[in-house]
Amino acid sequence: GDSVTQMEGPVTLSEEAFLTINCTYTATGYPSLFWYVQYPGEGLQLLLKATKADDKGSNKGFEATYRKETTSFHLEKGSVQVSDSAVYFCALTGNNAGNMLTFGGGTRLMVKP
Amino acid sequence: GAGVSQSPRYKVAKRGQDVALRCDPISGHVSLFWYQQALGQGPEFLTYFQNEAQLDKSGLPSDRFFAERPEGSVSTLKIQRTQQEDSAVYLCASSLGGLRQITHQPQHFGDGTRLSIL
Repeated sequence: GDSVTQMEGPVTLSEEAFLTINCTYTATGYPSLFWYVQYPGEGLQLLLKATKADDKGSNKGFEATYRKETTSFHLEKGSVQVSDSAVYFCALTGNNAGNMLTFGGGTRLMVKP
Repeated sequence: GAGVSQSPRYKVAKRGQDVALRCDPISGHVSLFWYQQALGQGPEFLTYFQNEAQLDKSGLPSDRFFAERPEGSVSTLKIQRTQQEDSAVYLCASSLGGLRQITHQPQHFGDGTRLSIL
């Protein structure tokens, strides 16, 4: 079945540092790929998405590129802020009915001033 | 409200009790999903509705779990004879389209119900 693997956290960075959170996936066909973010005490929010190979999703300074050849969707940000501290989930929807999401285990990011 | 609403936000129950968790999706959203999120892990799919029809319940862990959406809007997830391993955050999500409509639409999540079984 479909699966998503992302780097374990926590990831601790200083403000303005460069961020990479690795995500790789296993799926048949052509899944859509997502990054969701969960801020403390809040629900999951969609951060960005990409629906086909070589697409780049971007939002709030975050970017991720759909790489079919390496089955990856790594999340990057050039300069993190304290307010980016949260748990980040990589996810996919496969070619199954209903488009349910398959999530990775999440990566906690802590940004220190 | 504009978002997905779940209630209660927190639920504590004794082992063996039955619980019911409610989800109000975004108005007009055809698809509704339930997920279970154990502590420190990613959400895992439980079940999916398109309007009032439960099209997929392959993720329900046992026959103690039951979900319904009788009028195609509000949904209830019921857990009978709760066990300690049922302790988790239960997330509800909705999306605008249904099966065979626009695919890969984003799912909008509620804040979840944190269930603790003593």
